[in-house]
Amino acid sequence: SQQGEEDPQALSIQEGENATMNCSYKTSINNLQWYRQNSGRGLVHLILIRSNEREKHSGRLRVTLDTSKKSSSLLITASRAADTASYFCARDNYGQNFVFGPGTRLSVLP
Amino acid sequence: EAQVTQNPRYLITVTGKKLTVTCSQNMNHEYMSWYRQDPGLGLRQIYYSMNVEVTDKGDVPEGYKVSRKEKRNFPLILESPSPNQTSLYFCATGQGNTEAFFGQGTRLTVV
Repeated sequence: SQQGEEDPQALSIQEGENATMNCSYKTSINNLQWYRQNSGRGLVHLILIRSNEREKHSGRLRVTLDTSKKSSSLLITASRAADTASYFCARDNYGQNFVFGPGTRLSVLP
Repeated sequence: EAQVTQNPRYLITVTGKKLTVTCSQNMNHEYMSWYRQDPGLGLRQIYYSMNVEVTDKGDVPEGYKVSRKEKRNFPLILESPSPNQTSLYFCATGQGNTEAFFGQGTRLTVV
């Protein structure tokens, strides 16, 4: 399997705190993407970071990529209860072949 | 509006009764893929297709078939469903170093 790992598997924080999730992978990538899923629903695209980029921002989201360590992180700042969801990273292995990890379940407590 | 449409959204069937889950996209994407999602296992790829008449196995292809006769459609076929194929299924499409678009999912129960 080409699956990597998200870490941690589950994360509980208070509203207003920052949440950091990590993603590791095993093969070289074309780009890496982060998705969000609310309980049993479809996945929503958050951010795409290309292999030649190191950091990307979108609103309260910040994604970093370290290709030498084959890892990425997603930071959600000033979290809200509505951020409660599962977060997945997906590796695009050049063949437009999106490979997902098991995800991180984030709970933001009011 | 960009859309990936899966049907049905919910299905309860019996062991051994052939079924097809359809997936259709209106974005003219070359790449399409099927995933299953089970608790604690994330999304596991079943099959993917890089273009019409080109399909490849993903991580968990056993018990499934696909076809890609035209660009917009990528049906998932379960010839003889078994209870271990009870899962939430997602179809996705993409094109050249951009995001993937997902359908809303099909919740399948095999009894």
